[in-house]
Amino acid sequence: GQQVMQIPQYQHVQEGEDFTTYCNSSTTLSNIQWYKQRPGGHPVFLIQLVKSGEVKKQKRLTFQFGEAKKNSSLHITATQTTDVGTYFCAVPNAGGTSYGKLTFGQGTILTVHP
Amino acid sequence: DGGITQSPKYLFRKEGQNVTLSCEQNLNHDAMYWYRQDPGQGLRLIYYSQIVNDFQKGDIAEGYSVSREKKESFPLTVTSAQKNPTAFYLCASSIGWDRVAQHFGDGTRLSIL
Repeated sequence: GQQVMQIPQYQHVQEGEDFTTYCNSSTTLSNIQWYKQRPGGHPVFLIQLVKSGEVKKQKRLTFQFGEAKKNSSLHITATQTTDVGTYFCAVPNAGGTSYGKLTFGQGTILTVHP
Repeated sequence: DGGITQSPKYLFRKEGQNVTLSCEQNLNHDAMYWYRQDPGQGLRLIYYSQIVNDFQKGDIAEGYSVSREKKESFPLTVTSAQKNPTAFYLCASSIGWDRVAQHFGDGTRLSIL
């Protein structure tokens, strides 16, 4: 099945510092999604990237899809305490009976110290 | 309000007991999913269904069963064959199954008594 490596597993930052999490795949991806899960909550969809080299921004969050469509990153500028949570990437399984499945990365747990 | 409702929020299972977790959605989504999340880990797919009366095994289906008799409902049964059921169970749905966001319920925390 599809595999995706997400790093780092943990990141502790001071409020105001930047944060980046990375997802890497050994195979070319058709698309990649990013989700955020607050402590004690459920994952919430943030964005989907489809095109090679795509860059999308949501306020302080910047999402990138690599030129080879094998990696992606989520960057948060000037973190705030509201950014605390676990950030997951998710990639699709393509074809056959696996069509429609998503494989989630292990997630990066972000803590922000005020 | 449209959304996904999971119940109960907390569930305790005795040894040898089957328990059923409820998942209902009023989003008119075709696809529904069950994931298991262990502390500090990602989501692992248990079962998924792309259409009523059809479902597929995910990566960790052993010890679990599902049904999809109605579009809005996708209950998960954790059987006694699942020897390590303590986890956070998340139900999700999506409008289709390719390049679409998954919407999650609030989850059910299952523990062993």
